[in-house]
Amino acid sequence: TQLLEQSPQFLSIQEGENLTVYCNSSSVFSSLQWYRQEPGEGPVLLVTVVTGGEVKKLKRLTFQFGDARKDSSLHITAAQPGDTGLYLCAGGSNYKLTFGKGTLLTVNP
Amino acid sequence: DAGVIQSPRHEVTEMGQEVTLRCKPISGHNSLFWYRQTMMRGLELLIYFNNNVPIDDSGMPEDRFSAKMPNASFSTLKIQPSEPRDSAVYFCASNFRIQGGTEAFFGQGTRLTVV
Repeated sequence: TQLLEQSPQFLSIQEGENLTVYCNSSSVFSSLQWYRQEPGEGPVLLVTVVTGGEVKKLKRLTFQFGDARKDSSLHITAAQPGDTGLYLCAGGSNYKLTFGKGTLLTVNP
Repeated sequence: DAGVIQSPRHEVTEMGQEVTLRCKPISGHNSLFWYRQTMMRGLELLIYFNNNVPIDDSGMPEDRFSAKMPNASFSTLKIQPSEPRDSAVYFCASNFRIQGGTEAFFGQGTRLTVV
């Protein structure tokens, strides 16, 4: 069974601070995706990374895929209240997406 | 595009009753997934359809759960009889499966409460 461990489970910070959340697995995935989920909504895709060592930037968000394609990180610069939500990583293998339990981020104004 | 549409958004039912959740995937997508989300277990894949055919139902918890996809634009997830431990948010997701990435587009979910 492929498992994805996300840390921290909860994170509460002030507006303007930087943060990093992590996604780790003992398995290799063909791709890794990050989703954000807001209360009462389904997860929405932020980014997909497929190459070991790949770094992608999306405005204030920076995503990195580990060289061995087993782990990933999401760094947010100058967090804003609108960044509040549940951040989920998901490992792709063939058709299947295996999700971590997520990091619940709260950005306080 | 309206996105993945699920109904109902909320369902409260008594233990032992039959529950049917509905999903309309995004037009043109050939893959459909049913997930269940709880605080304890996170997002779990229940079943995966490709071109309306169930490919992997290994995540379906037990025989009380069944899913159908009679055509490309409609799927149902049925629980009969329902139990309190089935209480969760159920998501339907769809995509067009190509080689490589398997990005999923999720509906808003159905929050099921079994009392």
